[in-house]
Amino acid sequence: QVQLQQWGAGLLKPSETLSLTCAVYGGSFSGYQWTWIRQPPGKGLEWIAEINHSGSTNYNPSLKSRVIISIDTSKNQFSLDLTSVTGADTAVYYCARQALYGYAAFDIWGQGTMVTVS
Amino acid sequence: IQLTQSPSSLSASVGDRVTITCRASQGVSSYLAWYQQKPGKAPKLLIYAVSTLQSGAPSRFSGSGSGTDFTLTISSLQPEDFATYYCQQLNSYPYTFGQGTKLEIK
Repeated sequence: QVQLQQWGAGLLKPSETLSLTCAVYGGSFSGYQWTWIRQPPGKGLEWIAEINHSGSTNYNPSLKSRVIISIDTSKNQFSLDLTSVTGADTAVYYCARQALYGYAAFDIWGQGTMVTVS
Repeated sequence: IQLTQSPSSLSASVGDRVTITCRASQGVSSYLAWYQQKPGKAPKLLIYAVSTLQSGAPSRFSGSGSGTDFTLTISSLQPEDFATYYCQQLNSYPYTFGQGTKLEIK
């Protein structure tokens, strides 16, 4: 059974860099897009970026200038860096998986990491 | 692409039939999904490709629609269905979600 486990610092100061990592256990790393999504407290979901096993990326234009998504296929992990954080970046951050074929959606999610900028 | 869900909140009783609507600002082909989220938990995929039930999702959930107008229907509400529901389009970047519909117990 595929599981995503994520971790990273939960408390940051303004202007610091948010860094999160998501590890994939129990399944293939290839054949999928690996994605980051965030959810501010009490609000809706925002797609941040995605990367596939070959390193091809797509970013949300609203965050693109501050986001780097990367992948380590040797460890079955992918990571998110968000630079120059402000209070507006306070949110629960999720990693998720999307198959590369058909009309696939985000079928497996990590447990979420609450990140507070203060 | 903007997704607008209606209603934003809904009160219903166990056993009720419930419908949630998602309207897209432009066509999304069949790249439309629905998620359920409970407090403190990650979203759970219910429906993808407009009407395909995700493995493990109960059959009382169904999806329909085309082009810009889509619907999630719960045929007979169960106590565990009280949650927030989101639609999502995966037709074009950036992927976007609706604002959510909170389903509460009447």
